[in-house]
Parts: sequence; structure tokens; C-alpha cells
Amino acid sequence: QSVLTQPPSASGTPGQRVTISCSGSSSNIGINIVNWYQQFPGTAPKLLIYSNNQRPSGVPDRFSASKSGTSASLAISGLQSEDEADYYCAAWDDSLNGVLFGGGTKLTVL
Amino acid sequence: QVQLVESGGGVVQPGRSLRLSCVASGFSFSSYGMHWVRQAPGKGLEWVAVIWFDGSSKYYVDSVKGRFTMSRDNSKNTLYLQMDSLRPEDTAVYYCVRGQCGGDCSHFDYWGQGTPVTVSS
Repeated sequence: QSVLTQPPSASGTPGQRVTISCSGSSSNIGINIVNWYQQFPGTAPKLLIYSNNQRPSGVPDRFSASKSGTSASLAISGLQSEDEADYYCAAWDDSLNGVLFGGGTKLTVL
Repeated sequence: QVQLVESGGGVVQPGRSLRLSCVASGFSFSSYGMHWVRQAPGKGLEWVAVIWFDGSSKYYVDSVKGRFTMSRDNSKNTLYLQMDSLRPEDTAVYYCVRGQCGGDCSHFDYWGQGTPVTVSS
């Protein structure tokens, strides 16, 4: 089963802005909403962004996201050391009748 | 508050079966589609299956079709995953996840703590 395509890694220094891309197709990102998850080692993933660009309560406004066509992106501004985690995008796929996750991006704060 | 508590994981030999359970509390269980998501050691997240809020529809990832069966008992606020003919590649932490819709969405607002499954001889 195919996955959404994310870069395996990303990095930045404290205070910088980092973006993580997520590429899909017309049967998933192209027609369905994208959600983003943050995961720290040894813990369950946490919803970070829903409905393409909405932040759940408690998520800092340093985190933002957008979608265009069959791609989406997550941006983290004012990078902090505690942002070091794995990030996943996800979307429902109408052809597969299931959820696709991106392969995950490991963010390192240098 | 919303809680999802999985159980039933463990070590099992290839070809054997295991049943996972997930007890939900703190919300109207029968109003939400529920999913299982797994994560193999050192790997990314993989969606496994979904069951509609009323149990009317179920979908599975190709790799488990015909081997795994998802069900729910809304009277007991409990979700199940019957895993048969287990393979070593099914080794993973299995998460019970609430979908923020009746079924077909990827908006997962609450996750359980996960239950580990190891398939090995």
C-alpha cells in the first residue's frame, strides 16, 4: 500500500523556521483533508494539526500548515529544542478506502 | 476525560491468533468511527483498519485483509481486533484511535497508550 511522501529528516537551529512537505495524489490529499501528528520516542502520537490548517487547543501558534493541490506542508517557526520529534502527515484515500500516513520526518534541533 | 485503554498484546508464534481489546470512556463511543494504527519497531505509523460508528462498514489495509477482523460492542464501549494467521511482519505496537468523524477520515484526536504484539517462534 502506498504512503504519502515526506522527507525522512529535517533540521534547524533554535529560532529558525523549518518546513516539512507531504506529497500525495488526487485520491488522497487532492480531495481529502490532511492532518499532522507529532510523536516523541516511546509515546503515542499526538494530533498537531487537523483539517489542513487548524490547531487543537494547546498547540502553540508556532505550528502552522497548508495544503495545495496534492501536497501539504507543516511549518514550525521559532524552532525550540522541545520540537525535536517525529512528524507524520495523514489523509484518507478514496481509492484505497483507508488512511495513508506519510513515512514520517525526524526533526532535529541542532 | 477521554480514555482509550488497549489490552491483549503479547508474544505469539507465527500462524497463531491474538485478540486485542480497547475499552473507551469519557465520550459517546457509539458516535465515533474507531481505528487501529500500528507501528513496527523503529518504523513509521501504519493504519490498519477502521470500523464505522455503527459497525456498518469496515476497511482494512491490504496486508491484513482476510486475516484481521475488527469489531465493536457499543453496549460495552469496547473495540476489538481479532488477528489470525499472524506473521512476523505484524510485530508492532497497536494503537486504538478515535476518529473525529463517523468513519472515513484521518483526524485522530485521541490515541490509546498502545499494546505491543510480537510474532516470533
